[in-house]
Amino acid sequence: AQKITQTQPGMFVQEKEAVTLDCTYDTSDPSYGLFWYKQPSSGEMIFLIYQGSYDQQNATEGRYSLNFQKARKSANLVISASQLGDSAMYFCAMRERAAGNKLTFGGGTRVLVKP
Amino acid sequence: GAVVSQHPSRVICKSGTSVKIECRSLDFQATTMFWYRQFPKQSLMLMATSNEGSKATYEQGVEKDKFLINHASLTLSTLTVTSAHPEDSSFYICSARPQGDNSPLHFGNGTRLTVT
Repeated sequence: AQKITQTQPGMFVQEKEAVTLDCTYDTSDPSYGLFWYKQPSSGEMIFLIYQGSYDQQNATEGRYSLNFQKARKSANLVISASQLGDSAMYFCAMRERAAGNKLTFGGGTRVLVKP
Repeated sequence: GAVVSQHPSRVICKSGTSVKIECRSLDFQATTMFWYRQFPKQSLMLMATSNEGSKATYEQGVEKDKFLINHASLTLSTLTVTSAHPEDSSFYICSARPQGDNSPLHFGNGTRLTVT
């Protein structure tokens, strides 16, 4: 079974609008962390936001927020006020303590911001 | 912030030759580094976990004799693709993180390997 699932292969979003990227995960480890990374066409992986399994509040970092629904095992990323520079691949990833803290990535979602 | 440097960023080599890729943590020590591989339009797949002072741990299906990993110091891990073939052409990216459970993995800028 897939540990991290991103069901949206690609999305268009109008500049200045918000966009939600879906991510669901599967784990039986009570201690885990969820991450979102951005990968522009140049290839580097840029860390965006982190949510720990024990965190009570949803994480926020500037224009990025994470909609963490633990019971549903989902960790959707919301990007507000989209900018042209937000066009990139976005990966959701999970780190499980029992798995030696290595990151497992979802398949990614390509976002294209339209002017 | 934590910086991971990866070199070279791009390499073209002929079939049968070996290629070494370096991954350095510039401002922190990393007892563990991770090597990922990414094919075009696909996600990152973990190849192996590099452990300072001991053998690397390889993921299922990754040939350890093909992809040699050495982690000789707390700031340097190397990945050597031995006897490269065209099917080894890919984007290889390393990562490491400072100590602390909540710290994210920081990635190098990746190495695009093309085997002709």
